[in-house]
Amino acid sequence: QKEVEQDPGPLSVPEGAIVSLNCTYSNSAFQYFMWYRQYSRKGPELLMYTYSSGNKEDGRFTAQVDKSSKYISLFIRDSQPSDSATYLCAAAGGGNKLTFGTGTQLKVEL
Amino acid sequence: DGGITQSPKYLFRKEGQNVTLSCEQNLNHDAMYWYRQDPGQGLRLIYYSQIVNDFQKGDIAEGYSVSREKKESFPLTVTSAQKNPTAFYLCASIRTGVSNQPQHFGDGTRLSIL
Repeated sequence: QKEVEQDPGPLSVPEGAIVSLNCTYSNSAFQYFMWYRQYSRKGPELLMYTYSSGNKEDGRFTAQVDKSSKYISLFIRDSQPSDSATYLCAAAGGGNKLTFGTGTQLKVEL
Repeated sequence: DGGITQSPKYLFRKEGQNVTLSCEQNLNHDAMYWYRQDPGQGLRLIYYSQIVNDFQKGDIAEGYSVSREKKESFPLTVTSAQKNPTAFYLCASIRTGVSNQPQHFGDGTRLSIL
């Protein structure tokens, strides 16, 4: 079993929809959780960074961590075609090594 | 403008050849990382370095080598011993000494076999 599991999609939604992207993890030592956005042929770009449980909001993006169920989510409100990309979740314990999910491919259609 | 520069963007390797991928950062970051990305497998850690002249193997180090002679530079050599080198290679860096910081990535090098 992978330490971080993520549904690869693809996920296709209409413009303006609320998108929910999810990951589960198995390592109880994970305390830091990240969401990266990756456009085709580009490197991952950090979107959200959270510590422990709770919610964090930044514009149209909300990251949510539930440590009791080992579940992390990214919500995108009012989705735009420019949000079409692969979204990677990542987790880390006390050190600097990240464990990544496989990524979810999202397509927002006009 | 600070960032991580990877070169070349595309690279082709012949059988039996070693090739070197460049990664340079001007963020004054201490730690640097190399990942390999394959479709459906996410990012897998090849090597990482926390300080100059020191580096550690990641999860898939076989067939790869690195050096860290300067803080700004962390080149990756894909040796002929790596039998399946076709992948997207990503370099990342992080500032250490501060409570856990996220990694920042370059734009990758796509390596293919000729």
